[in-house]
Amino acid sequence: DAGVIQSPRHEVTEMGQEVTLRCKPISGHDYLFWYRQTMMRGLELLIYFNNNVPIDDSGMPEDRFSAKMPNASFSTLKIQPSEPRDSAVYFCASSLHITGGPYNEQFFGPGTRLTVL
Amino acid sequence: GQNIDQPTEMTATEGAIVQINCTYQTSGFNGLFWYQQHAGEAPTFLSYNVLDGLEEKGRFSSFLSRSKGYSYLLLKELQMKDSASYLCAVRDPGGATNKLIFGTGTLLAVQP
Repeated sequence: DAGVIQSPRHEVTEMGQEVTLRCKPISGHDYLFWYRQTMMRGLELLIYFNNNVPIDDSGMPEDRFSAKMPNASFSTLKIQPSEPRDSAVYFCASSLHITGGPYNEQFFGPGTRLTVL
Repeated sequence: GQNIDQPTEMTATEGAIVQINCTYQTSGFNGLFWYQQHAGEAPTFLSYNVLDGLEEKGRFSSFLSRSKGYSYLLLKELQMKDSASYLCAVRDPGGATNKLIFGTGTLLAVQP
């Protein structure tokens, strides 16, 4: 049973370039979450979707960040233009609905390590 | 607002017991999670508490006191592989959502 899949695993780009991160959630999960993790700020929620609909994007740092979920099996997080301060590990996670199981824990993908030069 | 506090770092000895504390201030309560994260890897689920008391899972146990806004993760018979960051997270109390609010994590170093 495949877990959450993210691509690419590593991305190195130059300031000003567009970056697209991809995520495939676990099949059957209702929720999809995008997080950013840095040493200074820890794990921050950027945005989450329920049944492909964005519910809360209050964590998206600014207009340079956008996220889409065109169907239940795919989501993207785009940064345009990228800046050095965007360098971080970006995690995607998915979960069942709150009533879908005993814990309804979030399952995390392996992450994308982004470096913006 | 929501706030979660954990110690930044802890050190313990192989074979010993360590307790990692977490306090939270939220406008309600709808469940608390502990995650483990090894360096360079993704967080993985360890435990879940929604009622007061102790939940035991092998060498790991998690305790919750809702009246005190307090939880701890207890690791017994420490092994070197337990060296990792431990993240406390509360489920957003604002309704039927599975949004989690994470603390900054406690980095545990297990020494021989």
